[in-house]
Amino acid sequence: QKEVEQNSGPLSVPEGAIASLNCTYSDRGSQSFFWYRQYSGKSPELIMSIYSNGDKEDGRFTAQLNKASQYVSLLIRDSQPSDSATYLCAVGSGSARQLTFGSGTQLTVLP
Amino acid sequence: GAVVSQHPSWVICKSGTSVKIECRSLDFQATTMFWYRQFPKQSLMLMATSNEGSKATYEQGVEKDKFLINHASLTLSTLTVTSAHPEDSSFYICSALLPGQGRYEQYFGPGTRLTVT
Repeated sequence: QKEVEQNSGPLSVPEGAIASLNCTYSDRGSQSFFWYRQYSGKSPELIMSIYSNGDKEDGRFTAQLNKASQYVSLLIRDSQPSDSATYLCAVGSGSARQLTFGSGTQLTVLP
Repeated sequence: GAVVSQHPSWVICKSGTSVKIECRSLDFQATTMFWYRQFPKQSLMLMATSNEGSKATYEQGVEKDKFLINHASLTLSTLTVTSAHPEDSSFYICSALLPGQGRYEQYFGPGTRLTVT
């Protein structure tokens, strides 16, 4: 059974702070890792993908992957109230290209 | 780029009727699409994988005769909920796999909210 674990939160940070979201996964054969943002009542939106160990930066977002520790994280710098949403960690493995989603972390950025 | 549309965005139907939901990749061809269901306060649940030109692969516990999936072209997959019941009321979301060597990114449609009365 492939599992993806996230802290459900809620996580609250003040505006301008760094928000740190964490995710662990059980399948050592996992090859692709994604962070999606989902606003209430909306569908998920892809914000970051990472395939190899290390950091990947895109604007205010940085994804970090450590395959040895089976750990992936997302940092959001200069958090804004518009970043308030549920963040879903998703992990892909195998040729089926299916994703296993975590239950999501609810982030609130306080003005 | 990588835009996926869904139609309708919401639908209300009577118990026992069928509802068809369309999922289209607008600016890329998608050999593989996925159908998810999401209940309130819960994460996404994969229902089935839809491959163009072949039968869909359903996840365990999903009734293939109730949730009919057709992926007749590289830009269109449809989900038909047959003989809908109130317990089928949910948020149905499709995604399309962006093609590319070593890429496994899924882009989601805006979702269809189904209410069965």
